Amino acid sequence: DAGVIQSPRHEVTEMGQEVTLRCKPISGHNSLFWYRQTMMRGLELLIYFNNNVPIDDSGMPEDRFSAKMPNASFSTLKIQPSEPRDSAVYFCASSPRDFNEQFFGPGTRLTVL
Amino acid sequence: DAKTTQPPSMDCAEGRAANLPCNHSTISGNEYVYWYRQIHSQGPQYIIHGLKNNETNEMASLIITEDRKSSTLILPHATLRDTAVYYCIVLNDYKLSFGAGTTVTVRA
Repeated sequence: DAGVIQSPRHEVTEMGQEVTLRCKPISGHNSLFWYRQTMMRGLELLIYFNNNVPIDDSGMPEDRFSAKMPNASFSTLKIQPSEPRDSAVYFCASSPRDFNEQFFGPGTRLTVL
Repeated sequence: DAKTTQPPSMDCAEGRAANLPCNHSTISGNEYVYWYRQIHSQGPQYIIHGLKNNETNEMASLIITEDRKSSTLILPHATLRDTAVYYCIVLNDYKLSFGAGTTVTVRA
């Protein structure tokens, strides 16, 4: 199994641009999570999907952030418009059960200039 | 979620066992103890979890005291690739969050 796949691995963009991060979870996993990690704030859960349905989006910072999971093998996290304070490493994780062990992807390092 | 306390850093010799302590004195009955690690510039990696019984898998062993107020993660034969920040977390839902963790450096 290839594990959780994220793309792109690095993204540099200018303030105001739209950014789309992509995630392919491990096949057969029914839970998907998007996290953000920064030195200042540590690891933060942004949104949790179960069986493709958003269950908890209380961690999404503001309306500029949106996430979708159109099917069991693909999810996107979109930031529009992006701001410099969005610069962080964004991780996608999947889990074979509701909230047991989570398997993380390699992350997308986002830099907004 | 209950707070955990871990030593900020520890060194370990390659090939020796690494014992990582964690205090979680305010843990509640339905909270699990989870261990994750994060190697530099990589995503967090799940290691092991348990409720009250000791657990072992291919990566590590988890020893939880009878009163559940503390636990120890054991890496039986540390290698250089085990150098990472190790996080002890207690929770009963999905909202992972990491504290400062223990920076483990395995030396040849």
